[in-house]
This record gives sequence, C-alpha cells and structure tokens, in this order.
Amino acid sequence: NAGVTQTPKFRVLKTGQSMTLLCAQDMNHEYMYWYRQDPGMGLRLIHYSVGEGTTAKGEVPDGYNVSRLKKQNFLLGLESAAPSQTSVYFCASTPHLSYEQYFGPGTRLTVT
Amino acid sequence: AQSVTQPDIHITVSEGASLELRCNYSYGATPYLFWYVQSPGQGLQLLLKYFSGDTLVQGIKGFEAEFKRSQSSFNLRKPSVHWSDAAEYFCAVGAGNTGNQFYFGTGTSLTVIP
Repeated sequence: NAGVTQTPKFRVLKTGQSMTLLCAQDMNHEYMYWYRQDPGMGLRLIHYSVGEGTTAKGEVPDGYNVSRLKKQNFLLGLESAAPSQTSVYFCASTPHLSYEQYFGPGTRLTVT
Repeated sequence: AQSVTQPDIHITVSEGASLELRCNYSYGATPYLFWYVQSPGQGLQLLLKYFSGDTLVQGIKGFEAEFKRSQSSFNLRKPSVHWSDAAEYFCAVGAGNTGNQFYFGTGTSLTVIP
C-alpha cells in the first residue's frame, strides 16, 4: 500500500513550457486535491475532484487544468508555465464522507 | 467565507517546556478542524482532528487540542516538547459543502532549543 504518490519529485521548466504532474492513490479514495504551498501562504487549493470524471476549481485555479479519468489518478497540467507558478505542489486524497486527508510527498517545481 | 488564522509565524521553545500554538477560524457552521505537521521536505501528517463531541481531542505524538466555539479557536498543546517536534504546524478547517474543501492557515514554524 503506497498511499499517495506524486511524479515527478522535482522539475525545472522554462517560461512557456508545459508539463503534467501525476498523483496516484491506491486507497480507493473518492476525493482528490491539488494544493500549492508557498512561503508564508500555507496551502492553497488549486483544483479538486469528488469522483472519477469530475473536477472543480479551488482558490487559485488560474493557469492550471486537471483531469480525473481514472479514480486512482489525478493529473495537474500547466499549459504555459510562468515564474509565478514556482512552488511546491501537494496532492491529497480523502475517502468518501471523511475529512481526513492523506498527502503525497510533494513536487518541487521551478519555472525560470 | 471560510478562513484560518495562525497568528504566530514562528515560535521558539526550550526542550521540555510546554507548547501552545494558536489557531482561529471563521466558518458559519460547525467546523471540522485539523492540525497537521510538516517536517522539512516532507508532506503533511495529520496530528489530530475535531468533528464533534468532546472539545478536548488527543492526537499522535502527545499532542492535544481544545475546541472553543465561543472564541472560534482550536489551539494545539503539548505539555513537554521534544527536539523532534521542530517542524511546521498547520491548522485547517474542513468546509461541509460538496467536495470536502479544506482551508489551511499560513503555518507556525516551531524551533526547539536544547
């Protein structure tokens, strides 16, 4: 049982490049989330999903897209990376009717 | 709108001393409240949670927190801090609408000195 995993762990992009971050969970959780963590800002919700095939916007969705084609995977895409998207990205999942979040180890993204 | 405030950006305590980290929330309904800990370079680990019932909740690693509705607070406490408790601590509130959205405070960094 690996829990929540994130791929890659580190990435450096140039401005304007695109990339996809992968989050996978093997706990059969219904809900999945993408957060970004910036110094002094805590965690801010980017997008979330309440089930396979459904996604919704969080606090800071601009510049990001997501997809949940399979229940166990939640993808976060950056179509045209900007330096303001330099951050640490965390994925989390939650079982249905539970408020206990399980976090992945994070992805450190730098956009130059 | 929901929000979480952690007034202390950084706290330093001596090993063996007691600890209290403050958290205030703003939420219209009964909140679901959480404390998480993050060690450097790591993800977040749940310390404890409050959903309902007894307002004093026990968590892992000897931590406890008390929910005070009248003060909109959920402060985290530990009677005797260990050097390994040095980390970043986040308070969070779970919103009860569809999607189980969570709102995090900006965190309190804890330094433990010998």
